[in-house]
Amino acid sequence: DIQLTQSPSFVSASVGDRVTITCRATQGISSYLAWYQQKPGKAPKLLIYAASTLQSGVPSRFSGSGSGTEFTLTISSLRPEDFATYYCQQLESDPPYSFGQGTKLEIK
Amino acid sequence: QITLKESGPTLVKPTQTLTLTCTFSGFSLDTSGVGVGWIRQPPGKALEWLALIYWDDDTRYSPSLKSRLTITKDTSKNQVVLTMTNMDPVDTATYYCAHLLVYCSGDCYSLGFDYWGQGTLVTVSS
Repeated sequence: DIQLTQSPSFVSASVGDRVTITCRATQGISSYLAWYQQKPGKAPKLLIYAASTLQSGVPSRFSGSGSGTEFTLTISSLRPEDFATYYCQQLESDPPYSFGQGTKLEIK
Repeated sequence: QITLKESGPTLVKPTQTLTLTCTFSGFSLDTSGVGVGWIRQPPGKALEWLALIYWDDDTRYSPSLKSRLTITKDTSKNQVVLTMTNMDPVDTATYYCAHLLVYCSGDCYSLGFDYWGQGTLVTVSS
């Protein structure tokens, strides 16, 4: 099965900062990667699919890139509402569609 | 507008079987390219993908839980049901159902879960 490792697990940043989160897969998954944002007590929200396609309604300060085994989620200029936990998920061919362990983005 | 909502017991005893129902609207599970999945999240921990059912009754399960899980659909009721046998305290988690975003062009490709239920917390304790 494909495992995903996110780094860092925790990141502390300030409003206006640029933040990048990395997700690495144990084998190539082409571009079958999604990113989610989750706030406490809420269901995850799909931000990006197919590695770089922004889901409808998601602000353009979010962007994704990568293919194969290494992917990144970048938030270009942090806003207060962006402080949350972020997960990557691989959806390459057949399930299981595993998630990364999460990256918690905290206010510095 | 797509909505999903989970329902089921909030407390189960160890060794019991858990049955969760996902009731959805805004799409049909007998339409080509549609899927519904279950994902869980223990308190303070990461998301864990559990199971998926497609419009054509194809099912997929987490390998580590496959022997304990069954996912079924009732298209007439717009429901997906997940059963998990032999519950243990480590299965305490919030359980979510979600709509799978799929792109079909000849073959179909799963892209992510674009709509989620609110989740239901299930506690396993005697």
